Amino acid sequence: NAGVTQTPKFQVLKTGQSMTLQCAQDMNHEYMSWYRQDPGMGLRLIHYSVGAGITDQGEVPNGYNVSRSTTEDFPLRLLSAAPSQTSVYFCASSYVGQGIKGSTGELFFGEGSRLTVL
Amino acid sequence: QKEVEQDPGPLSVPEGAIVSLNCTYSNSAFQYFMWYRQYSRKGPELLMYTYSSGNKEDGRFTAQVDKSSKYISLFIRDSQPSDSATYLCAGTKTSYDKVIFGPGTSLSVIP
Repeated sequence: NAGVTQTPKFQVLKTGQSMTLQCAQDMNHEYMSWYRQDPGMGLRLIHYSVGAGITDQGEVPNGYNVSRSTTEDFPLRLLSAAPSQTSVYFCASSYVGQGIKGSTGELFFGEGSRLTVL
Repeated sequence: QKEVEQDPGPLSVPEGAIVSLNCTYSNSAFQYFMWYRQYSRKGPELLMYTYSSGNKEDGRFTAQVDKSSKYISLFIRDSQPSDSATYLCAGTKTSYDKVIFGPGTSLSVIP
């Protein structure tokens, strides 16, 4: 009963380094997304995907790349880390469907990945 | 300007009080509205879910949506210390569209 699994939980990077935050879900959810959470800013959407091979930008996509080659995985890549990307990152997934019954659009979140860029 | 706004607080109330949390949104296309609760150092969890305008009640929690004024509310009756958390409102156009969150309101319920 894993749900949404994020790795790593903690990471420290130097400015300019690249890295990938991993996200995997075992609920066969079509929809997956990445958010960052900063004090006073709440959750801001970075990228999202409604199915394998389909991705779209959210509110703050600059500096991040995503891909969705399988239903289960949705990695987030930081191309060249900057101190402004210091944040807590959350991956979330949900079932996609028509109407309300059986499809609440409920997002299931991972435990978060805390990233510090020095 | 964010599509969903809410007062970040912090809000502190005595145990047993009625709590009112409010959000406004700007996107007229939003049809689905949600309240998530987030405990410290944890991921958010869905608390309430409402489609279009109206009220929804679940135990001590009531969610209200007024689409004419673009106003979302969450009421907590008989608040408990275990309700101490950050409450995030959110909206989306469809059940398969991006979900936009407000900044969250930090609530403390004092025993």
